[in-house]
Amino acid sequence: GAVVSQHPSWVICKSGTSVKIECRSLDFQATTMFWYRQFPKQSLMLMATSNEGSKATYEQGVEKDKFLINHASLTLSTLTVTSAHPEDSSFYICSGSRDREPYEQYFGPGTRLTVT
Amino acid sequence: GQNIDQPTEMTATEGAIVQINCTYQTSGFNGLFWYQQHAGEAPTFLSYNVLDGLEEKGRFSSFLSRSKGYSYLLLKELQMKDSASYLCAVMDSNYQLIWGAGTKLIIKP
Repeated sequence: GAVVSQHPSWVICKSGTSVKIECRSLDFQATTMFWYRQFPKQSLMLMATSNEGSKATYEQGVEKDKFLINHASLTLSTLTVTSAHPEDSSFYICSGSRDREPYEQYFGPGTRLTVT
Repeated sequence: GQNIDQPTEMTATEGAIVQINCTYQTSGFNGLFWYQQHAGEAPTFLSYNVLDGLEEKGRFSSFLSRSKGYSYLLLKELQMKDSASYLCAVMDSNYQLIWGAGTKLIIKP
């Protein structure tokens, strides 16, 4: 159990356009979802934490107007990269955790975003 | 500030044993995780330590010393498929994961 999916797995978009990435918990209810970004040969960087039905909490340095996060249900969270630029090209990974196991995060397979 | 240190890269031979160390300084402690990440993929959970001591799970073992802010991941009977990055992460007092930069493990035949 505890499977998380992401869609799309990879996307190429033009500079200035917006891209939406979906994160779904397939067999559990994810009370909390996390969005990470990972640049090549670097570790994961937490972008934001969201609880179902409430606004996301963004990490310092992450623009909330540029990276829109919606956690509308216990099984779905979305990350929209607005007005994407080449420097936004990265590997975006989401994870979810359950109420009774706040210490364990289940990761999605990641989405590779390339902005041209 | 919060800090996780682990070696950038290690090389080992197939069939051998390798130990990957991790030291940490964080605001509070709610457990230490080890994850395996193959290139281009998301991390997969390997182990969780919250009490001092050794946790063994098949070929992989993880050790924790909270007083020393130290952990290690021990991999035995190395296989080529073990070539990956190994990420050490500590959960702080806010249940937030603080990640190390990862150790790239290269296995040679």
